[in-house]
Amino acid sequence: NAGVTQTPKFQVLKTGQSMTLQCAQDMNHEYMSWYRQDPGMGLRLIHYSVGAGITDQGEVPNGYNVSRSTTEDFPLRLLSAAPSQTSVYFCASSYDRGVTDTQYFGPGTRLTVL
Amino acid sequence: AQKITQTQPGMFVQEKEAVTLDCTYDTSDQSYGLFWYKQPSSGEMIFLIYQGSYDEQNATEGRYSLNFQKARKSANLVISASQLGDSAMYFCAMRGLYNFNKFYFGSGTKLNVKP
Repeated sequence: NAGVTQTPKFQVLKTGQSMTLQCAQDMNHEYMSWYRQDPGMGLRLIHYSVGAGITDQGEVPNGYNVSRSTTEDFPLRLLSAAPSQTSVYFCASSYDRGVTDTQYFGPGTRLTVL
Repeated sequence: AQKITQTQPGMFVQEKEAVTLDCTYDTSDQSYGLFWYKQPSSGEMIFLIYQGSYDEQNATEGRYSLNFQKARKSANLVISASQLGDSAMYFCAMRGLYNFNKFYFGSGTKLNVKP
């Protein structure tokens, strides 16, 4: 089991560029989510998915798109990068939506937007 | 609305001593789960311990225990016999039954273990 994997680990973009952060899990988890972590602010939910074909917005969705065509993959797209999107991005997954289900995190992607 | 508050931005503890990291929460859900994660300097998020709102006993996992006081809405993490490797950021998180698609995280506590 690789668990939750994310690529790339590091990325530098110029303002206005677009890119996709990749996330995959091999645990057959229904629930997947994206967070961003900024200094002193903990983790904030960007988008989440409760299964293939179903996505919804979290706390800070603006500037990001997601889709979920398979159970395994949940890519995050930055449409037009801005310096305010400089952050560490984590993907996470869990079995289902019950309150007892722990989320497991990927290693993170450190994104810098110049 | 759901909210997690961690009021200790940073803490020091002597090696081999116990330390308590505070977490309070606010929720209107009757059923919810509380989680603690550790984030070492390498950056990954490591799950430590879970407590359900209807669990009568406090959760324990090795040197970690969760001091759950439902009436006070607190879920403090207790680390016994601190080790140098415990130096890290610690996050408290919550997931509620009626808003179960969303995990809410506190701002974290930076723990430094001194030799």
